[in-house]
Amino acid sequence: EVQLVESGGNLVQPGGSLRLSCAASRFTFNNYAMSWVRQAPGKGLEWVSAISGSGDSTYYADSVKGRFTISRDNSKDTVYLQMNSLRAEDTALYYCAKGGSSRSRCYMDVWGKGTTVTVSS
Amino acid sequence: EIVMTQSPATLSVSPGERATLSCRASQSVGTTLAWYQQKPGQAPRLLIYGASTRATGIPDRFTGSGSGTEFTLSISSLQSEDFVVYYCQQHYNWPLTFGGGTKVEIK
Repeated sequence: EVQLVESGGNLVQPGGSLRLSCAASRFTFNNYAMSWVRQAPGKGLEWVSAISGSGDSTYYADSVKGRFTISRDNSKDTVYLQMNSLRAEDTALYYCAKGGSSRSRCYMDVWGKGTTVTVSS
Repeated sequence: EIVMTQSPATLSVSPGERATLSCRASQSVGTTLAWYQQKPGQAPRLLIYGASTRATGIPDRFTGSGSGTEFTLSISSLQSEDFVVYYCQQHYNWPLTFGGGTKVEIK
């Protein structure tokens, strides 16, 4: 069964940094784009960032552009989200999700359980 | 940015009856539309992609339809586990965007 396991979430002060990781297994990782999607407490889903299968192309929501960086290590089947200059409004459960096709701009067919980021002093 | 609007925000339906959820895009997205189900405390699960194709393992009581700017998710004969939240998402253009969700509750 395809699996995604996120880690790295924590409590961090405003202005601080965190790096999230998502370890993938049981599929050909470099064939698929990967996304990060977040959900603030009691709110809906917000797409954050995506990266192509090769890692050559990256995409960001305006709300995180310039502060977050997505990357992947295809030798480790892992995707990362480096989060800098964190704000209270970045507080959310962060999900890693696998693209459903070879295209970068895609629906998401497998989701991890999420990792919690709390930004507070 | 393509804005996705779901209606209603909450839908009250009796078990065994049919639910019809709507999703509207602010501009045409063709059929690049997906539906997800989210149960409390769980990650979203893909139900429908390509506006009308059921994902693997999804029961045939879930039906997606529509194209362009108007989309519908129909759930026939609601089961107890179907009373949760549903989201639509477009992947026609960056940024990817989700609707605000529809909560299906027991009437």
